[in-house]
Amino acid sequence: SQQGEEDPQALSIQEGENATMNCSYKTSINNLQWYRQNSGRGLVHLILIRSNEREKHSGRLRVTLDTSKKSSSLLITASRAADTASYFCATDPNMNYGGSQGNLIFGKGTKLSVKP
Amino acid sequence: KAGVTQTPRYLIKTRGQQVTLSCSPISGHRSVSWYQQTPGQGLQFLFEYFSETQRNKGNFPGRFSGRQFSNSRSEMNVSTLELGDSALYLCASSFGRGREQYFGPGTRLTVT
Repeated sequence: SQQGEEDPQALSIQEGENATMNCSYKTSINNLQWYRQNSGRGLVHLILIRSNEREKHSGRLRVTLDTSKKSSSLLITASRAADTASYFCATDPNMNYGGSQGNLIFGKGTKLSVKP
Repeated sequence: KAGVTQTPRYLIKTRGQQVTLSCSPISGHRSVSWYQQTPGQGLQFLFEYFSETQRNKGNFPGRFSGRQFSNSRSEMNVSTLELGDSALYLCASSFGRGREQYFGPGTRLTVT
């Protein structure tokens, strides 16, 4: 079953604008990872944020995590046409006694279109 | 460092046949996981292997099986193929649980 729910499902912006995607989940997590996928190809790992972290940056990417609200956001600043892709959040759930369960649970993704 | 490789990249099979997909993880990674991606169900977890042991399994029928070898390479097998098995099958490797999972390019399986 899907745990993560991305919002919006689709987003269309102009080059240079910022893109924000949100993800909500249901259970306790060990970490949350964001991925990019271009047209049915493999997933590219973007960033991992642990449950005890609130914010993480990588280049033009900024990820936040709010475990009290069970939500995360991915911000891409100064978007480029090459950022056009689907973006997925994936949660690494905790086992009952803590620790990673070992499998990622993915949302359905946000389809981002960046127009030149 | 070379990424995760998957072979073959594309496969066309007929209903009732079986198929074996292969995955070579990033050097040093001992954990391999498999996922199925379809337009309807999205990305769903199939199996997790670590040091040749299956540690976790998703909610898939017994027709789906896998194994991991001593060099961490992994294979998954689907027997008695059904039309609904048409999907992109993705393999991911990592150092272990709780770490980043890096995905391969996938094997696109079409069942006719």
